[in-house]
Amino acid sequence: DAGVIQSPRHEVTEMGQEVTLRCKPISGHDYLFWYRQTMMRGLELLIYFNNNVPIDDSGMPEDRFSAKMPNASFSTLKIQPSEPRDSAVYFCASSSGTGVNQPQHFGDGTRLSIL
Amino acid sequence: SQKIEQNSEALNIQEGKTATLTCNYTNYSPAYLQWYRQDPGRGPVFLLLIRENEKEKRKERLKVTFDTTLKQSLFHITASQPADSATYLCALDDGNNRKLIWGLGTSLAVNP
Repeated sequence: DAGVIQSPRHEVTEMGQEVTLRCKPISGHDYLFWYRQTMMRGLELLIYFNNNVPIDDSGMPEDRFSAKMPNASFSTLKIQPSEPRDSAVYFCASSSGTGVNQPQHFGDGTRLSIL
Repeated sequence: SQKIEQNSEALNIQEGKTATLTCNYTNYSPAYLQWYRQDPGRGPVFLLLIRENEKEKRKERLKVTFDTTLKQSLFHITASQPADSATYLCALDDGNNRKLIWGLGTSLAVNP
C-alpha cells in the first residue's frame, strides 16, 4: 500500500523565492492536512481539506501561504515570497474521516530551508 | 485555549523495563486522544486512539490510559526494546471534533 507521498524531501532556496510543496494522499482518503513542525512550536495545522474543499485555513500564517487541492490525489502548498522564518519541516497527512476520531497518515515531510 | 504538556526531558530506560510517558492537558476533556511515534526524518505514525469513555486501550506491548479527572493520559511500553527509541507525540481533539492539537513530544531512548 502506498502511503502519503511528499515531494521534494528537501528544499533549500533563497529568501524571496517561490516554494511549492507537493502531496499525494492515500487513495480513498477524503481528508488532507498540511502541517508545519518546528522544535519550538511542534506540529501546527496550517490548513485542511475535505473532499478537495478547504475547510479551515486559520493556521495559515499569512497571505504568503496558499494551498490548493485540484483533485482527490494531489495537493500543493505554496509560499511566495519565502522568508527565513518559514524554515521548518512541512508534513502532509490524510485520513478517512475527520482525523480526530480516525488515525492520520503522514508523509515523510519536506525539510525546507530558506537562506 | 487547550494546552498539552508532555515531558520535555528525554526519557532513558534500560531494555526490558516499562517506559511510561505522560500527556497532560489543561482545559476541557477531549472526546478523543491519540498517540503517535515519530522517528528522526520521518513523519508521525499512528499508534493508538482512546475515547473519553474508555479508561484503557491496549495493543501488543502498548497500553494507553485516559483519566479525565486528572486530565492526563499515560502511554506505557512494556518489555521495551532499543527499537522503541523514538519521539512519542500525543494529540487531542480541539473540542469541536474538527482537528487535532499536538503536544511537543517526549523523546524515549531504550538502552541495550
